[in-house]
Amino acid sequence: EAEVAQSPRYKITEKSQAVAFWCDPISGHATLYWYRQILGQGPELLVQFQDESVVDDSQLPKDRFSAERLKGVDSTLKIQPAELGDSAMYLCASSLGQGAYNEQFFGPGTRLTVL
Amino acid sequence: AQSVTQPDIHITVSEGASLELRCNYSYGATPYLFWYVQSPGQGLQLLLKYFSGDTLVQGIKGFEAEFKRSQSSFNLRKPSVHWSDAAEYFCAASSGGGADGLTFGKGTHLIIQP
Repeated sequence: EAEVAQSPRYKITEKSQAVAFWCDPISGHATLYWYRQILGQGPELLVQFQDESVVDDSQLPKDRFSAERLKGVDSTLKIQPAELGDSAMYLCASSLGQGAYNEQFFGPGTRLTVL
Repeated sequence: AQSVTQPDIHITVSEGASLELRCNYSYGATPYLFWYVQSPGQGLQLLLKYFSGDTLVQGIKGFEAEFKRSQSSFNLRKPSVHWSDAAEYFCAASSGGGADGLTFGKGTHLIIQP
């Protein structure tokens, strides 16, 4: 069964360092999402891509976060510099296309700890 | 602002007993509604969804949910829980359209007593 792949699964970094997370969506899925899940909370959307274009990045802290999906397939989320409050699970999801009727499939996540 | 509320942070249920998890939403128009389950070390898995039509929807693993427009609710139910149902449950909503990222509630942690 096709799955969304994410790496690394765990990342520990010190504050002020740069970190990057990678996501490989299910093959053929045009829409890709990054969510952040703080411990004890529900996921919150950071950015949505349709192919290589950003559809929604209104909740992305653009002073330190960046996301790209250059070829419309895999995606990278970067944080520079990392802050203590960035400790969270970063989830990637993909769907066939835009529209809530297209199910979002979630990857296992990258758990980030900032010391 | 659009929001999803899950009033119960933790719920404890005996194995074999029935379950109801509450979810309320605040949206300008009726959103698309979802229930996801998250087990330790696992990704989020979709249990069921409501778009329109029949207000009682069936999902996987024996779960169902009922949409009540008058109460802005979408509660999840299961007639008889199993120990393997212990997990975190999230209600989510989307306004649809192009920017269709999900708005999640804070989750309900389900504990199953033997």
